[in-house]
Amino acid sequence: GAGVSQSPSNKVTEKGKDVELRCDPISGHTALYWYRQRLGQGLEFLIYFQGNSAPDKSGLPSDRFSAERTGESVSTLTIQRTQQEDSAVYLCASSLVGVDTQYFGPGTRLTVL
Amino acid sequence: ELKVEQNPLFLSMQEGKNYTIYCNYSTTSDRLYWYRQDPGKSLESLFVLLSNGAVKQEGRLMASLDTKARLSTLHITAAVHDLSATYFCAVDGDLGGNEKLTFGTGTRLTIIP
Repeated sequence: GAGVSQSPSNKVTEKGKDVELRCDPISGHTALYWYRQRLGQGLEFLIYFQGNSAPDKSGLPSDRFSAERTGESVSTLTIQRTQQEDSAVYLCASSLVGVDTQYFGPGTRLTVL
Repeated sequence: ELKVEQNPLFLSMQEGKNYTIYCNYSTTSDRLYWYRQDPGKSLESLFVLLSNGAVKQEGRLMASLDTKARLSTLHITAAVHDLSATYFCAVDGDLGGNEKLTFGTGTRLTIIP
Protein backbone atom coordinates (compact mmCIF):
# COMPACT_ATOMS: atom_id res chain seq x y z
CA GLY A 1 0.00 0.00 0.00
CA ALA A 2 0.87 3.64 -0.03
CA GLY A 3 3.49 5.02 2.31
CA VAL A 4 3.32 8.10 4.47
CA SER A 5 2.42 11.16 2.44
CA GLN A 6 2.89 14.81 3.29
CA SER A 7 1.72 18.04 1.76
CA PRO A 8 2.78 20.47 0.60
CA SER A 9 6.21 19.27 -0.42
CA ASN A 10 7.52 22.82 -0.33
CA LYS A 11 6.18 25.90 1.39
CA VAL A 12 7.59 29.40 1.24
CA THR A 13 6.04 31.93 3.57
CA GLU A 14 6.67 35.34 4.97
CA LYS A 15 7.71 35.91 8.53
CA GLY A 16 4.66 36.32 10.75
CA LYS A 17 2.30 34.20 8.65
CA ASP A 18 0.69 30.98 9.84
CA VAL A 19 1.30 27.68 8.04
CA GLU A 20 -0.37 24.27 8.11
CA LEU A 21 1.44 21.08 7.19
CA ARG A 22 -0.41 17.87 6.53
CA CYS A 23 0.50 14.23 7.09
CA ASP A 24 -1.35 11.12 5.91
CA PRO A 25 0.01 8.08 7.75
CA ILE A 26 0.08 4.53 6.48
CA SER A 27 -3.39 3.04 6.82
CA GLY A 28 -3.74 1.12 10.08
CA HIS A 29 -0.77 2.75 11.79
CA THR A 30 -1.89 3.93 15.19
CA ALA A 31 1.19 5.95 16.06
CA LEU A 32 2.14 9.20 14.31
CA TYR A 33 5.17 11.39 14.89
CA TRP A 34 6.35 14.80 13.76
CA TYR A 35 10.04 15.68 13.57
CA ARG A 36 11.96 18.70 12.39
CA GLN A 37 15.25 18.56 10.50
CA ARG A 38 17.28 21.70 10.12
CA LEU A 39 19.76 21.91 7.28
CA GLY A 40 22.65 19.49 7.76
CA GLN A 41 21.39 18.29 11.12
CA GLY A 42 19.68 15.31 12.64
CA LEU A 43 16.01 15.05 13.47
CA GLU A 44 14.38 16.74 16.45
CA PHE A 45 11.26 15.16 17.90
CA LEU A 46 8.25 17.47 18.03
CA ILE A 47 5.10 15.53 18.93
CA TYR A 48 3.74 11.97 19.11
CA PHE A 49 0.18 10.67 18.79
CA GLN A 50 -0.81 7.14 19.81
CA GLY A 51 -4.40 6.10 19.29
CA ASN A 52 -6.77 8.01 21.55
CA SER A 53 -4.16 8.74 24.21
CA ALA A 54 -3.14 12.30 25.00
CA PRO A 55 -0.33 13.31 22.63
CA ASP A 56 3.24 13.69 23.83
CA LYS A 57 3.95 17.35 23.07
CA SER A 58 7.24 17.51 24.89
CA GLY A 59 9.26 18.35 21.78
CA LEU A 60 7.27 21.35 20.58
CA PRO A 61 9.72 24.27 20.70
CA SER A 62 7.20 27.00 21.55
CA ASP A 63 3.49 27.69 21.91
CA ARG A 64 3.45 28.82 18.28
CA PHE A 65 3.56 25.13 17.35
CA SER A 66 0.53 22.88 17.64
CA ALA A 67 -0.67 19.67 16.06
CA GLU A 68 -3.89 17.75 15.77
CA ARG A 69 -4.81 14.29 14.65
CA THR A 70 -8.23 13.06 13.66
CA GLY A 71 -8.67 9.56 15.07
CA GLU A 72 -6.01 7.35 13.53
CA SER A 73 -5.75 9.25 10.29
CA VAL A 74 -4.60 12.63 9.07
CA SER A 75 -2.54 14.98 11.21
CA THR A 76 -1.85 18.67 10.75
CA LEU A 77 1.04 20.59 12.23
CA THR A 78 0.36 24.31 12.56
CA ILE A 79 2.99 26.95 13.07
CA GLN A 80 1.66 30.38 13.96
CA ARG A 81 3.49 33.66 13.41
CA THR A 82 6.35 31.92 11.65
CA GLN A 83 9.92 33.00 12.30
CA GLN A 84 13.00 32.52 10.14
CA GLU A 85 14.36 29.94 12.57
CA ASP A 86 11.33 27.78 11.77
CA SER A 87 12.81 27.12 8.33
CA ALA A 88 13.47 23.39 8.14
CA VAL A 89 12.16 20.15 6.71
CA TYR A 90 9.24 18.83 8.73
CA LEU A 91 9.01 15.05 8.63
CA CYS A 92 6.09 12.90 9.62
CA ALA A 93 6.38 9.22 10.49
CA SER A 94 3.93 6.49 11.42
CA SER A 95 4.18 3.07 12.99
CA LEU A 96 2.06 0.16 14.15
CA VAL A 97 0.96 0.05 17.78
CA GLY A 98 3.91 2.09 18.98
CA VAL A 99 6.55 -0.60 19.08
CA ASP A 100 7.47 -0.92 15.44
CA THR A 101 9.81 0.76 13.02
CA GLN A 102 8.78 4.30 12.14
CA TYR A 103 8.16 4.88 8.43
CA PHE A 104 8.87 8.39 7.26
CA GLY A 105 7.11 10.58 4.73
CA PRO A 106 8.96 12.68 2.16
CA GLY A 107 8.79 15.81 4.31
CA THR A 108 7.67 19.39 3.84
CA ARG A 109 10.44 21.90 3.24
CA LEU A 110 9.41 25.14 4.95
CA THR A 111 11.20 28.37 4.11
CA VAL A 112 10.36 31.49 6.08
CA LEU A 113 11.53 34.68 4.40
CA GLU B 1 18.32 13.62 28.90
CA LEU B 2 19.17 11.02 26.28
CA LYS B 3 22.08 11.98 24.04
CA VAL B 4 23.07 10.11 20.89
CA GLU B 5 26.45 10.68 19.33
CA GLN B 6 27.72 9.40 16.04
CA ASN B 7 31.19 9.38 14.66
CA PRO B 8 32.60 10.18 12.32
CA LEU B 9 30.36 13.00 11.13
CA PHE B 10 31.87 12.88 7.67
CA LEU B 11 33.45 9.89 6.00
CA SER B 12 35.00 9.71 2.57
CA MET B 13 36.16 6.31 1.49
CA GLN B 14 37.21 4.50 -1.62
CA GLU B 15 35.17 1.83 -3.29
CA GLY B 16 36.08 -1.62 -2.11
CA LYS B 17 37.19 -0.56 1.37
CA ASN B 18 35.65 -1.45 4.72
CA TYR B 19 34.68 1.00 7.43
CA THR B 20 32.61 1.32 10.59
CA ILE B 21 30.29 4.06 11.83
CA TYR B 22 29.82 4.28 15.60
CA CYS B 23 26.75 5.30 17.58
CA ASN B 24 26.97 5.91 21.32
CA TYR B 25 24.01 6.73 23.52
CA SER B 26 23.80 7.92 27.08
CA THR B 27 20.93 6.07 28.80
CA THR B 28 19.39 2.62 28.83
CA SER B 29 17.35 1.79 25.78
CA ASP B 30 15.61 -1.30 24.49
CA ARG B 31 15.82 -0.58 20.80
CA LEU B 32 18.09 1.14 18.33
CA TYR B 33 17.44 2.02 14.70
CA TRP B 34 19.59 2.77 11.70
CA TYR B 35 18.24 4.92 8.88
CA ARG B 36 19.63 6.05 5.55
CA GLN B 37 18.88 9.44 3.98
CA ASP B 38 19.76 10.38 0.41
CA PRO B 39 20.14 14.10 -0.40
CA GLY B 40 16.77 15.81 -0.57
CA LYS B 41 14.95 12.62 0.35
CA SER B 42 13.29 11.22 3.43
CA LEU B 43 14.61 8.54 5.76
CA GLU B 44 14.68 4.88 4.81
CA SER B 45 14.70 2.29 7.57
CA LEU B 46 17.71 -0.04 7.47
CA PHE B 47 17.79 -1.98 10.74
CA VAL B 48 16.11 -2.22 14.11
CA LEU B 49 18.13 -3.83 16.88
CA LEU B 50 16.19 -5.07 19.87
CA SER B 51 18.55 -6.83 22.23
CA ASN B 52 22.10 -6.99 23.47
CA GLY B 53 24.32 -8.75 20.96
CA ALA B 54 21.83 -8.34 18.12
CA VAL B 55 23.42 -8.40 14.69
CA LYS B 56 21.63 -7.76 11.43
CA GLN B 57 22.99 -7.78 7.90
CA GLU B 58 21.64 -6.55 4.60
CA GLY B 59 23.93 -6.66 1.60
CA ARG B 60 27.14 -4.80 2.39
CA LEU B 61 25.79 -3.32 5.63
CA MET B 62 25.90 -4.99 9.02
CA ALA B 63 24.64 -3.46 12.27
CA SER B 64 25.30 -4.63 15.81
CA LEU B 65 24.23 -3.59 19.28
CA ASP B 66 26.00 -3.76 22.64
CA THR B 67 23.54 -2.48 25.22
CA LYS B 68 26.04 -2.76 28.07
CA ALA B 69 28.45 -0.44 26.29
CA ARG B 70 25.53 1.60 24.91
CA LEU B 71 27.12 1.28 21.50
CA SER B 72 25.93 0.32 18.06
CA THR B 73 28.06 -0.05 14.97
CA LEU B 74 27.22 0.04 11.28
CA HIS B 75 29.87 -1.79 9.31
CA ILE B 76 30.29 -1.30 5.58
CA THR B 77 32.01 -4.05 3.63
CA ALA B 78 33.59 -3.48 0.22
CA ALA B 79 31.88 -0.14 -0.26
CA VAL B 80 30.22 0.74 -3.54
CA HIS B 81 29.21 4.17 -4.84
CA ASP B 82 25.47 3.71 -4.29
CA LEU B 83 26.05 3.49 -0.54
CA SER B 84 26.82 7.20 -0.52
CA ALA B 85 24.25 8.79 1.78
CA THR B 86 23.81 10.12 5.30
CA TYR B 87 23.31 7.44 7.94
CA PHE B 88 21.50 8.13 11.19
CA CYS B 89 21.18 6.04 14.28
CA ALA B 90 18.21 6.66 16.54
CA VAL B 91 17.42 5.44 20.03
CA ASP B 92 14.12 4.92 21.76
CA GLY B 93 14.81 6.17 25.24
CA ASP B 94 11.47 5.11 26.71
CA LEU B 95 11.67 1.51 27.89
CA GLY B 96 8.70 -0.60 26.97
CA GLY B 97 7.31 1.44 24.14
CA ASN B 98 8.24 3.16 20.93
CA GLU B 99 7.66 6.81 21.46
CA LYS B 100 9.94 9.60 20.50
CA LEU B 101 13.24 8.70 18.93
CA THR B 102 16.39 10.62 19.67
CA PHE B 103 18.57 10.83 16.59
CA GLY B 104 22.29 11.15 16.20
CA THR B 105 23.66 13.97 14.11
CA GLY B 106 24.27 11.67 11.17
CA THR B 107 27.31 10.42 9.30
CA ARG B 108 27.65 11.72 5.77
CA LEU B 109 29.27 8.94 3.79
CA THR B 110 30.83 9.58 0.39
CA ILE B 111 32.17 6.66 -1.62
CA ILE B 112 34.83 7.64 -4.11
CA PRO B 113 35.22 5.51 -7.25
